[in-house]
Amino acid sequence: EIVLTQSPGTLSLSPGERATLSCGASQSVSNNYLAWYQQKAGRAPRLLIFGASSRATGIPDRFIGRGSGTDFTLTINGLEPEDFAVYFCQQYAGSPRTFGQGTKVEIK
Amino acid sequence: QVQLQQWGAGLLKPSETLSLTCAVYGGSVKGYYWSWIRQSPGKGLEWVGEINHIGATNYTPSLKSRVSMSVDTTKNQLSLRLTSVTAADTAVYYCARQLGRGLFSDYWGQGTLVTVSS
Repeated sequence: EIVLTQSPGTLSLSPGERATLSCGASQSVSNNYLAWYQQKAGRAPRLLIFGASSRATGIPDRFIGRGSGTDFTLTINGLEPEDFAVYFCQQYAGSPRTFGQGTKVEIK
Repeated sequence: QVQLQQWGAGLLKPSETLSLTCAVYGGSVKGYYWSWIRQSPGKGLEWVGEINHIGATNYTPSLKSRVSMSVDTTKNQLSLRLTSVTAADTAVYYCARQLGRGLFSDYWGQGTLVTVSS
């Protein structure tokens, strides 16, 4: 199974700043089958990015996904108050599908 | 707008069977795959498995012997059963839509907390 490791565990930033989240895979994620989700407390995850770089419907363009192979990043340009949440990456190239452990973006 | 609404027993004793249902509104179960994903503090997000409208399934290996999924196209619902539960199965369980076999999940249910305790 593909293990995903996210870093950092917590990111403390102020509104307006840029957040850079990393997701590393234990083996190459074929076809860049990697997604990013945002989760707020008590809510279900929300799809942000699929295919490593394609934004889901309705996702603002400040969310940018990049990467290939084993290294992926999610950048949030100009953090808005509603962006403070936990972010997970998921690979869907191999079975079983696996998730990273999450990065919490908190207000500094 | 697709909405998934789920329900089921929230408190189980060890060895009992977990049973959850997820109703799909604003769309059909046909043409998609549907997954169950659980989340616990200890194990994070864990993909349980997937099913399509004709009943083709794919389960995560660690749960394969205890899990079963089904779809009722007449009711536009999907169901999850997990037998012989233990405390390790305590989690929030989500149903979610996948655009295809093995893909990402674009719509999620609200989640159901299932606690296993004697």
